[in-house]
Amino acid sequence: DTAVSQTPKYLVTQMGNDKSIKCEQNLGHDTMYWYKQDSKKFLKIMFSYNNKELIINETVPNRFSPKSPDKAHLNLHINSLELGDSAVYFCASSQTTGGLSEAFFGQGTRLTVV
Amino acid sequence: QKEVEQDPGPLSVPEGAIVSLNCTYSNSAFQYFMWYRQYSRKGPELLMYTYSSGNKEDGRFTAQVDKSSKYISLFIRDSQPSDSATYLCAMSRTNTGNQFYFGTGTSLTVIP
Repeated sequence: DTAVSQTPKYLVTQMGNDKSIKCEQNLGHDTMYWYKQDSKKFLKIMFSYNNKELIINETVPNRFSPKSPDKAHLNLHINSLELGDSAVYFCASSQTTGGLSEAFFGQGTRLTVV
Repeated sequence: QKEVEQDPGPLSVPEGAIVSLNCTYSNSAFQYFMWYRQYSRKGPELLMYTYSSGNKEDGRFTAQVDKSSKYISLFIRDSQPSDSATYLCAMSRTNTGNQFYFGTGTSLTVIP
């Protein structure tokens, strides 16, 4: 039973398009994240949501907009895609109430912008 | 200066060797320390998780945290070809930031 699942796994799209990536966690965690992993494998946080509220919004273009309909879901919408957006995007979740616990990651969405 | 520094490698060792992976960090507020293993084209999976200083052992893996030196290590004993992966250290504070800071990862290859 997958703990953190992302769809799609692969996404190839043209510059200028708008796309969404979905994430769901069934761990009952209260915090969800989006990370971007570049070609050098560096994982950088983009957003963090705690109980559907935005907690962290790192310096990312406002073309990226996260949406959390409930605490088990955190979707990422990207407008006007650019070549530099090509990367692997990871969703993660953790339980922070009562102390910070480790993050569990999804399998990633490999986005290629052509 | 990055919050977390990690030598990217690549590191190549023969099967059975002891592997030492390390990270240094600059923020003394970090309290939680994690090691993740990432196989090619997969998501990071949690390997070890420690709170504050000290050692933690799990099978062939030992995690060490030295907060006074701001230095953490992961040791792999009797390394196996299946250990070949990228190893990422991560750490976080206890405040409301809820943010995990990752190292750049060390690529490890264990040669049969």
